[in-house]
Amino acid sequence: DGGITQSPKYLFRKEGQNVTLSCEQNLNHDAMYWYRQDPGQGLRLIYYSQIVNDFQKGDIAEGYSVSREKKESFPLTVTSAQKNPTAFYLCASSPLTAAGSGNTIYFGEGSWLTVV
Amino acid sequence: QQQVKQSPQSLIVQKGGISIINCAYENTAFDYFPWYQQFPGKGPALLIAIRPDVSEKKEGRFTISFNKSAKQFSLHIMDSQPGDSATYFCAASKSGNTGKLIFGQGTTLQVKP
Repeated sequence: DGGITQSPKYLFRKEGQNVTLSCEQNLNHDAMYWYRQDPGQGLRLIYYSQIVNDFQKGDIAEGYSVSREKKESFPLTVTSAQKNPTAFYLCASSPLTAAGSGNTIYFGEGSWLTVV
Repeated sequence: QQQVKQSPQSLIVQKGGISIINCAYENTAFDYFPWYQQFPGKGPALLIAIRPDVSEKKEGRFTISFNKSAKQFSLHIMDSQPGDSATYFCAASKSGNTGKLIFGQGTTLQVKP
C-alpha cells in the first residue's frame, strides 16, 4: 500500500542523547516535512525538503537536524541541544504543485518521543 | 503575518447537532485553506479545502465558509455524529511549490450520543 511509514512509534531518550526518527514514503512525492505537535499548539514545522540533498529550516529547527539522501527517506535527528524534545512528531509528504494549485500534505502515523 | 488563529479550543456537541469551528488568518497572500481531521494517536488527514475564489464549499456533511474581506473561514459539521469526535485543524498556505502549511492550534470536538 502507498503511504508514509514512521518508526519507531514510541521512543524514549535519555538526557544528552541524540535520537533519530525514521520516515519513509512510497508515494513518489518530491516534498517531505517534519512537524512537531504539542497540546494546544497545533503543528509546527521543523524542517522541509523539496528535492534530494536539499532542505530548509522551518519555524522551530533549533536542536534538530535532517538529511535527504534519497527521495523516499527523510530522517529527523533530535539532538541533545533540543531542550524540550518530548512531543509527537509527524512526518509528511506532498507532490510539488504548480503556482495557483492547493498543496495536499499527507501525514504519517507519528512518533512519540519522551525524555526520561 | 504568519499566524492562523483557531477557536474554540474544545467543543462539545450533541449527536445530530451542528459543530462550528472558526479560523482567522493575517497574511493576505494565503490562497489555500485546508481542514485536517486527526484521531487520537494518528496523523492528521485532509478533510476538505477551499480557495478564496469561492465563498463556500460543501462535501457531504462538511462545509467550509470563507469570508475573504474578514480574513476568516470556518468549518461546519452538519448532523454531527460520535464518529466525528476528533481534533480538527485549520491551515493556510500560499499555493505553489513551497507548500508549507501554517496550522491553527486545533479544536477537540466531542460529539455526545
